Amino acid sequence: DTEVTQTPKHLVMGMTNKKSLKCEQHMGHRAMYWYKQKAKKPPELMFVYSYEKLSINESVPSRFSPECPNSSLLNLHLHALQPEDSALYLCASSQPVGKLFFGSGTQLSVL
Amino acid sequence: DQQVKQNSPSLSVQEGRISILNCDYTNSMFDYFLWYKKYPAEGPTFLISISSIKDKNEDGRFTVFLNKSAKHLSLHIVPSQPGDSAVYFCAASAEGAGKSTFGDGTTLTVKP
Repeated sequence: DTEVTQTPKHLVMGMTNKKSLKCEQHMGHRAMYWYKQKAKKPPELMFVYSYEKLSINESVPSRFSPECPNSSLLNLHLHALQPEDSALYLCASSQPVGKLFFGSGTQLSVL
Repeated sequence: DQQVKQNSPSLSVQEGRISILNCDYTNSMFDYFLWYKKYPAEGPTFLISISSIKDKNEDGRFTVFLNKSAKHLSLHIVPSQPGDSAVYFCAASAEGAGKSTFGDGTTLTVKP
């Protein structure tokens, strides 16, 4: 299994809603990532978990809250988002060093 | 300061010809370089990589060249096929950094 599975594929939420994005991989990778991508821009790193511990937070606003329940799962909890947070949210995994395996992403729209 | 740059936002080539995508970097600590391909509404997929101890890596129709002194790498696709039409991202990482830095991407269009 060389897939990273993300749910949901699409999400529309209001600025007062609370929602969660989910990511799962079964490749035994010990590093998992959240990226944000706007149209015609490169993926922008948000968080890195290494061996289930948060190792990198790229100064992301607290309205985004990551969680790594176990080595296969990664969540991103969303609360009080702004319209400018609308983007494609990508999960990825890797061995501690090496190529990234990306999921298909969650297209998020904040109204 | 953008540490990885892809100066050509787009490239158009004829089917069967060679596509050359370029990438420049500024951080001399980068020691591992990757190319990813992205189709619309999908996540990027890994294409090919190269370590700084090499100057060339080949995988089928794809070859990556690294010029460390010029801090430049390029991806050659030959022959180009219409299915290669996508956005190509160059990425670089440094040992121990735990993350990759991406360029802005180049949109490749291969015309039949």
